[in-house]
Amino acid sequence: KAGVTQTPRYLIKTRGQQVTLSCSPISGHRSVSWYQQTPGQGLQFLFEYFSETQRNKGNFPGRFSGRQFSNSRSEMNVSTLELGDSALYLCASSIDLAGTEAFFGQGTRLTVV
Amino acid sequence: GESVGLHLPTLSVQEGDNSIINCAYSNSASDYFIWYKQESGKGPQFIIDIRSNMDKRQGQRVTVLLNKTVKHLSLQIAATQPGDSAVYFCAEEGGGATNKLIFGTGTLLAVQP
Repeated sequence: KAGVTQTPRYLIKTRGQQVTLSCSPISGHRSVSWYQQTPGQGLQFLFEYFSETQRNKGNFPGRFSGRQFSNSRSEMNVSTLELGDSALYLCASSIDLAGTEAFFGQGTRLTVV
Repeated sequence: GESVGLHLPTLSVQEGDNSIINCAYSNSASDYFIWYKQESGKGPQFIIDIRSNMDKRQGQRVTVLLNKTVKHLSLQIAATQPGDSAVYFCAEEGGGATNKLIFGTGTLLAVQP
């Protein structure tokens, strides 16, 4: 059974640009959550999607957005990139809402220069 | 200003010894808890979970203990091996229809051969 797949694995972008990251959850999983991991702030929740609907959103500016498709695949977008957006972006999939194991992908390492 | 990196507590153990990693969680309403292991360059890997109606759960070489009175979780690893060297995170799920996880700062486990 394939795990959570995130693409691309690495990205280098320039300040002011935008970026789209992709996540394919485990087959059959309907919930996808996104997290940002930095040395300074640790792992922080970005947002959560279930059945194409955003269920929860973390404390991030509006430049961070996401969506989920009917096949449960999810994308997140960051516009007007800032140096501080450099981080490891992690996607987690769960079979359902609440109280179920969340499995993480390898992450996308974004570097903003 | 310049952000300061999180100072990760470090636990150094000898190969073959038992390890105990501790975590204080924040929300008394949290009803589901997970321990993750993260190796360098990889996403967090699910180790074991426990629900709030339990105080102990055992897996293969790992045991999680939950003390709701003092909002404390611990992860015990028996016969620690070099391959156990990683950063370990506890995560809590706050209850309700969400998979949103709140992560602790992590503990670096260093296993000495």
